[in-house]
Amino acid sequence: DAKTTQPNSMESNEEEPVHLPCNHSTISGTDYIHWYRQLPSQGPEYVIHGLTSNVNNRMASLAIAEDRKSSTLILHRATLRDAAVYYCILRTNTGNQFYFGTGTSLTVIP
Amino acid sequence: DTEVTQTPKHLVMGMTNKKSLKCEQHMGHRAMYWYKQKAKKPPELMFVYSYEKLSINESVPSRFSPECPNSSLLNLHLHALQPEDSALYLCASSQESRQNSYNEQFFGPGTRLTVL
Repeated sequence: DAKTTQPNSMESNEEEPVHLPCNHSTISGTDYIHWYRQLPSQGPEYVIHGLTSNVNNRMASLAIAEDRKSSTLILHRATLRDAAVYYCILRTNTGNQFYFGTGTSLTVIP
Repeated sequence: DTEVTQTPKHLVMGMTNKKSLKCEQHMGHRAMYWYKQKAKKPPELMFVYSYEKLSINESVPSRFSPECPNSSLLNLHLHALQPEDSALYLCASSQESRQNSYNEQFFGPGTRLTVL
């Protein structure tokens, strides 16, 4: 299964943008890039996903490198409620299963 | 209803006990999953059910026995567990359509299991 690598932790000031990087150099052409986050004492929740093009939704933006070997999750204005562990996951089109990477623990400073 | 419910929230059991974890969803999802999460670690996939049939077993020890009695329910039967099995057990569900890139997984809050 394709692997992802992320920084263990990052900090951001409240109301500042946050860029969370993810490397996935072994990605195959049919792998989708998914981002989930896990708030304290909760199960993971969906944030965003993409294949080749940059994506935006109400929660975040996903910027995907042209060679698809890396991606960046962008939170436009971090709030205290965004403090969580953010997971970058590659999902193949042959199954629905997820294999989580180590994730990035985001701390938001008031 | 976009909720996955799990019961119990907490469970303490001895190594000789038999217990079960339950998971329920009413979103019409035909794929359901069990994950194990140790403290400060990412969730690890254990089992995947597709249309009520076990499709993936990630080499999980036989002391964990999954069951999917119908399309809304997923159980995890526990027997003769070890203290190192103490963890948060997460259930998730999704659409079962492999051609759909979206297939968001909806996670329950988990059952925190302690094995004494």
